[in-house]
Amino acid sequence: DVKVTQSSRYLVKRTGEKVFLECVQDMDHENMFWYRQDPGLGLRLIYFSYDVKMKEKGDIPEGYSVSREKKERFSLILESASTNQTSMYLCASSDWGVSAGNTIYFGEGSWLTVV
Amino acid sequence: AQSVTQLGSHVSVSEGALVLLRCNYSSSVPPYLFWYVQYPNQGLQLLLKYTTGATLVKGINGFEAEFKKSETSFHLTKPSAHMSDAAEYFCAVIQGAQKLVFGQGTRLTINP
Repeated sequence: DVKVTQSSRYLVKRTGEKVFLECVQDMDHENMFWYRQDPGLGLRLIYFSYDVKMKEKGDIPEGYSVSREKKERFSLILESASTNQTSMYLCASSDWGVSAGNTIYFGEGSWLTVV
Repeated sequence: AQSVTQLGSHVSVSEGALVLLRCNYSSSVPPYLFWYVQYPNQGLQLLLKYTTGATLVKGINGFEAEFKKSETSFHLTKPSAHMSDAAEYFCAVIQGAQKLVFGQGTRLTINP
């Protein structure tokens, strides 16, 4: 069965802290994504990666960075957390060829509160 | 750039009634369209997708959607709502080669 696992479901961090959100997929997918979900705004793409060590900015990359050292793992990094980064973060993965209709699979999400 | 608009941030229906969730898209190329569902405190699960071929697409849990190019719509329907259908629903369209662009979401409430 398809599995995208986000290591932390709920986190509370202080302003200015460095925050790591980890995601692992077990489907040998090339693509991995980080989305942010906010009420009334739907999901917005932060970054995505189409191969190991490769990354592209999404629609809202400011204040975030990513790391993909291994194919199965994609990390989202908040270098200095701020209160406006309080949100739900969703990791996803897909096989190459989303434009051909391949499905994107999502993890269960990480709720981050910055105080 | 491709985009989707979901009409109605909140829809409420009675158990057993028809469910209709509206989605309109904007795309300069033939679109690939998706509906995802999110149950409380969970990630997103694919309900159905349209790529090519038949314009009426059947998904899981009795949902279906019809691609109408003339109306640039991809509305989601279910003939008879069940309490377990209460969730948030997202319409999405492919942008570029690998990315999904989501609508704002519609929260579906089922009244007993």
